[in-house]
Formats: sequence, structure tokens, C-alpha cells
Amino acid sequence: NAGVTQTPKFRVLKTGQSMTLLCAQDMNHEYMYWYRQDPGMGLRLIHYSVGEGTTAKGEVPDGYNVSRLKKQNFLLGLESAAPSQTSVYFCASTLAGTSYNEQFFGPGTRLTVL
Amino acid sequence: GEDVEQSLFLSVREGDSSVINCTYTDSSSTYLYWYKQEPGAGLQLLTYIFSNMDMKQDQRLTVLLNKKDKHLSLRIADTQTGDSAIYFCAEKGPGGYQKVTFGTGTKLQVIP
Repeated sequence: NAGVTQTPKFRVLKTGQSMTLLCAQDMNHEYMYWYRQDPGMGLRLIHYSVGEGTTAKGEVPDGYNVSRLKKQNFLLGLESAAPSQTSVYFCASTLAGTSYNEQFFGPGTRLTVL
Repeated sequence: GEDVEQSLFLSVREGDSSVINCTYTDSSSTYLYWYKQEPGAGLQLLTYIFSNMDMKQDQRLTVLLNKKDKHLSLRIADTQTGDSAIYFCAEKGPGGYQKVTFGTGTKLQVIP
């Protein structure tokens, strides 16, 4: 099993450009999450999904959109990138119904917006 | 909202014990976690403790939970250079979608 994979690993954008980050998991997990990691601020939840076709806002959703058309994929979109969106983005997934709900993380996407 | 706080940096000598501390605000936390992030990688669950426990031991790792003071600690015995990483404290409330709040992370530097 590949676990949680993220594409791309690195990207540089100019202000105003758009892009989509892809997260894929092969563990048949119901829940998926997008986080951003910034120095001194830890992980902040952007959006999450509790199942195929459902999405919801997290702590810092502004400037991002998401879609979960297939259970195994969770896409994060930036419609008009801003320098404040320079960050490392992590996707994670969890199997529903477990007691301690371990989150499995992808390797991250490092995004720079100039 | 919920808040989880950690110191940003800890330096220890190889062979010594490391203690990483965390405080949280959510009195209804059900599980508390320690995740480890190695350079250039995602987070991996290291250990966790259920909120009705006050201690959990797993080989070199000891987790202590003081629910009254909302304080969680991770002790690593005989710290090795391979333990150098960022350690995140996290807590899960009773919410249905399993929202987890992460701390800022503590960077552990092990000096040979």
C-alpha cells in the first residue's frame, strides 16, 4: 500500500495564478483532511471531508476550495494564489469507527507564491 | 476554541532523557496524541493516551497526563540522534467528525 500520496511535491506560483493539489489514499478511509503548516503555528485545518461527495470548512478555509468526487481522492484548489498562501500543505486520512482515530499523513507539498 | 501549546525547541545530549511538555484547554478531550515529524516528511503517530488514563509506557516512551492541569508530557529515555525531529502534541474532542487540534510542535535536537 502506498498510504497517502500528494502531488506535486513542490510548486512555485505567481500571485493570481491557480493550481490544484491532489491527495490520494489507498486505505479506504472515510475521513480526509487538508492542513497547512507554517513556522511557529503548527498545523491548521483548512477543509475536511467525512465521505465521498461531502466537504466542510476547517479553521482557515478562506482562499481555498476542495472537492471529494471519489472516496480515495481529496483535491485542494487555490483559485487566485496570494503570498500569504506560501506554506507546506499536508493531506491526512482517518478510518471511521476506530477508537483513537489515527491520522495518516502524506509527505506534504511545499508551495511558494511570489 | 481549543488551544494546544508547546515550547518550540528542546536540546538534549545523546543518552539523556528528553521531556516534551504540552498544555491544552479542551476539558472534554477524549484522546491525546504525540505525533513525530522527521525532516521533509509528514507526521506519524508516535503514541496516544485515552483521557481516563494518567500514564502510558511504550518501550522508551512514557506519556504522562494530568487532566486536572490539562498537561501532557512525553518522556523519551536514552535519547538517540534518530529521535531528532519535531514532536506535535494533539488532542481530540468528542466531536463527531473527529476534529483534532495540533500544537505548534517542539523541535528536538539531539547532540551527539
